[in-house]
Amino acid sequence: AQKVTQAQTEISVVEKEDVTLDCVYETRDTTYYLFWYKQPPSGELVFLIRRNSFDEQNEISGRYSWNFQKSTSSFNFTITASQVVDSAVYFCALSELGGATNKLIFGTGTLLAVQP
Amino acid sequence: DVKVTQSSRYLVKRTGEKVFLECVQDMDHENMFWYRQDPGLGLRLIYFSYDVKMKEKGDIPEGYSVSREKKERFSLILESASTNQTSMYLCASSSQLTGWELGTQYFGPGTRLLVL
Repeated sequence: AQKVTQAQTEISVVEKEDVTLDCVYETRDTTYYLFWYKQPPSGELVFLIRRNSFDEQNEISGRYSWNFQKSTSSFNFTITASQVVDSAVYFCALSELGGATNKLIFGTGTLLAVQP
Repeated sequence: DVKVTQSSRYLVKRTGEKVFLECVQDMDHENMFWYRQDPGLGLRLIYFSYDVKMKEKGDIPEGYSVSREKKERFSLILESASTNQTSMYLCASSSQLTGWELGTQYFGPGTRLLVL
């Protein structure tokens, strides 16, 4: 069965600290996609990144970086020099590539609180 | 930019009422999804649709139905609302086209439903 685990329920950091959000997944598929979404207090889930299972290159976008390791089935997300605006719930998700609908399986989310 | 809108941000209903939650997307996406989000449980898929008039049950369809009469609109119906349906409801859409968008779901702002 496919599953996404975000073991960290809540993380609290002080502004300018670096923080890493963990994501571990389980799948028997050889081709899949992994995602990170951000949900600020307003409620809307905002798409951050999609990673193809064949591409294990790390990605950096400004203060955000993602580390994908197939050997450990992990797709971790690091925020460098955190800011108060980073406070949100972050979800990791795995795509089921079956048919046309590509359902997403979500982890339970990690609440990040960045204190000023 | 992908735009997914939901008819209400907040809704208060009484037990036994019939409730309609509307979702509209403007990106000509084939797939549409309804999720509910509860603390500690993450996002759970209620129903999804891959074409007009087509629907499939997700993980928790009991107590819900859906309607998709037009490609851009996907409605979630609570036939007889109950207090355990108090939750945050999120709508999403995605494209069936292959390529860089494959599998990526775009979300609306959510509807917080309170059933008294």
